[in-house]
Amino acid sequence: QVQLVESGGGLVKPGGSLRLSCTVSGFSFSDYYMIWIRQAPGKGLEWVSYISSSSSYTSYADSVKGRFTVSRDNAKNSLYLEMNSLTAEDTAVYYCARDPEVTAFFDYWGQGTQVTVSS
Amino acid sequence: SYVLTQPPSVSVAPGQTATITCGGNNLRGKSVHWYRQRPGQAPVMVVFDDRDRPSGIPDRLSGSKSGNTATLTIIRVEAGDEADYYCHVWDSTNDQPIFGGGTQLTVL
Repeated sequence: QVQLVESGGGLVKPGGSLRLSCTVSGFSFSDYYMIWIRQAPGKGLEWVSYISSSSSYTSYADSVKGRFTVSRDNAKNSLYLEMNSLTAEDTAVYYCARDPEVTAFFDYWGQGTQVTVSS
Repeated sequence: SYVLTQPPSVSVAPGQTATITCGGNNLRGKSVHWYRQRPGQAPVMVVFDDRDRPSGIPDRLSGSKSGNTATLTIIRVEAGDEADYYCHVWDSTNDQPIFGGGTQLTVL
């Protein structure tokens, strides 16, 4: 069955960096756009970044542009989010999700990984 | 940027019908999707393309749209329906997904 598993979250100091991973199974990863979505404590869902199936196209929310970089390795069935210059406002649960129809809906989500930015 | 408006909370007694709305400008021209997020869990898609249900989602949940308002309706509400519900569209102007603020459904 389709599975998405995030990892790499943790506690990091302001200004620090973190790399999140999302490893998938149960579907042909290279055929799908993928997206990162985050949820701050007690808040709603916020789009972070998405990447096309071949990595030819990426896009970022204004709140992370210039600090975060999304990438993927189709051979390893893995999606990544490199996060730099982290601030307290980046504290959230980060989810990866699959987009089956290219900029449409997100039919499968991972369980999320917690990122906490604090001194 | 594009905004989707949801009521912060909806309360309903077990067995009754819950209605959660999602409003946005020119919503008739967009496909609306809905997600359920139970406490401590990841979101799950429950409706896509305004009214279609993924496999495994019971037909007690249904989506509809009229004018600039989309609606998620849950009939015969159960305790397990208690969750946060989010609507979502794609903002083609800015090429980004937009989520509503979420509605907390409380089963009394």
